[in-house]
Amino acid sequence: GEQVEQLPSILRVQEGSSASINCTYENSASNYFPWYKQEPGENPKLIIDIRSNMERKQTQGLIVLLDKKAKRFSLHITDTQPGDSAMYFCAASLASSGSWQLIFGSGTQLTVMP
Amino acid sequence: EAAVTQSPRNKVTVTGGNVTLSCRQTNSHNYMYWYRQDTGHGLRLIHYSYGAGNLQIGDVPDGYKATRTTQEDFFLLLELASPSQTSLYFCASMTGNQDTQYFGPGTRLLVL
Repeated sequence: GEQVEQLPSILRVQEGSSASINCTYENSASNYFPWYKQEPGENPKLIIDIRSNMERKQTQGLIVLLDKKAKRFSLHITDTQPGDSAMYFCAASLASSGSWQLIFGSGTQLTVMP
Repeated sequence: EAAVTQSPRNKVTVTGGNVTLSCRQTNSHNYMYWYRQDTGHGLRLIHYSYGAGNLQIGDVPDGYKATRTTQEDFFLLLELASPSQTSLYFCASMTGNQDTQYFGPGTRLLVL
C-alpha cells in the first residue's frame, strides 16, 4: 500500500541546535501533511501542519517545508530544548474508496541533550 | 481541541478471549479511526469509518472487527484475542476530508 518514509528514526541533538526530520510520500493527490508529537505515555498531538497550496509554514520554533514536485516535506525545530524530546510522526493524506485517511511515517525519536 | 475518549484504558485478557474497545467523540466529526501502535511500526490503521453504519478496512484488519453505531461511537472487537494483538490502541476522529486527526488517550491491551 501507500507509504510515507520518515528519516531518521533516531535523532540526537545538543540543546540549542536545530533538528530536522524528513518525509517522502508516494501519492501526488496528497494535499495535507500534519506533524504529530508524542511524549511517553501520551497520545500523538498535532504540532503543525501544511497544505499543498503552501511551501513553508512557521510557528513557535517549528518550520515545515513542502516540495510537492519532489513529494517531500520536512520539519525543522529551531533552538531545541529538552522539552522537545519526544517521538515525532509525519503523515500525508490519502483518498481510498472515496474516503480519507492519513498515512503515517514510522516515527523519529528525538533526544535533546543538555 | 477535539475531545476523544477511550475505554477501558487498560485491559488484560487471555488467548481466545473476547475484547471490545470503545471510542467516543463528541465533536460531530464524520471520520473515526482505530490504530495500533507497536515499537518499530509506528501507527498502523486497523479500521475506519466515515459515518454511522459505515466501515472501511485499514492496513492491518486481520483478527479485528469494528462497528460504528452512531456518529459518536466506534467500537473495535477482538473476538478471539491472540498474543500478537498485545498493543497500544488509539482511536482518532477527523472532521472532514484531508483534515487534522485528533487522538484519544489510548488503550493498553495485554493478551496472555
